[in-house]
Amino acid sequence: EAQVTQNPRYLITVTGKKLTVTCSQNMNHEYMSWYRQDPGLGLRQIYYSMNVEVTDKGDVPEGYKVSRKEKRNFPLILESPSPNQTSLYFCASRPPGLGAFIDNEQFFGPGTRLTVL
Amino acid sequence: KQEVTQIPAALSVPEGENLVLNCSFTDSAIYNLQWFRQDPGKGLTSLLLIQSSQREQTSGRLNASLDKSSGRSTLYIAASQPGDSATYLCAVICGFNKFYFGSGTKLNVKP
Repeated sequence: EAQVTQNPRYLITVTGKKLTVTCSQNMNHEYMSWYRQDPGLGLRQIYYSMNVEVTDKGDVPEGYKVSRKEKRNFPLILESPSPNQTSLYFCASRPPGLGAFIDNEQFFGPGTRLTVL
Repeated sequence: KQEVTQIPAALSVPEGENLVLNCSFTDSAIYNLQWFRQDPGKGLTSLLLIQSSQREQTSGRLNASLDKSSGRSTLYIAASQPGDSATYLCAVICGFNKFYFGSGTKLNVKP
């Protein structure tokens, strides 16, 4: 089944304890992205990657790191989590297409609910 | 910076009613616009994608329109059903690969 998977789905941690949220897709998509969703603010893009070893900042990259060493995986790293990073996180991927990525739909993972105490 | 607004924030209608959800954006220089559905505890499901050169897209009971010059899109749902109850999000794609989402319209269709 074609899908985007995220792990863990739920995580409660404490301030300053490094954590990684994994994201994997089995659709051979080149484009992957991370978002956070907060009440009243909608989804905001954190980082995106257009291919292996190519990453770029979205709207809210502060406090986050990403890496793209393989096409299928795009982990989100919080080196020193803080309470303001408590949120619902989504990973997404999209296939390449004509017109350089502009024509294709994004597919989302199920989300990771993170609480930082 | 692109800002996306969705009105209303919440909507409750009786089953069978036709309804319209609105999405507006501040910068008309978009590549395309995508409508999603989000169910509680789940990810986003793509409903319709409208390319910037198109004016509308249809899928079953759903019809989405796009007016780039006025910065507006609408999602029309015909003959609503209780299974349509969810949060509907619109997203615009700008600057090649940046996505901007609205905060959503929470729809409740009463049996």
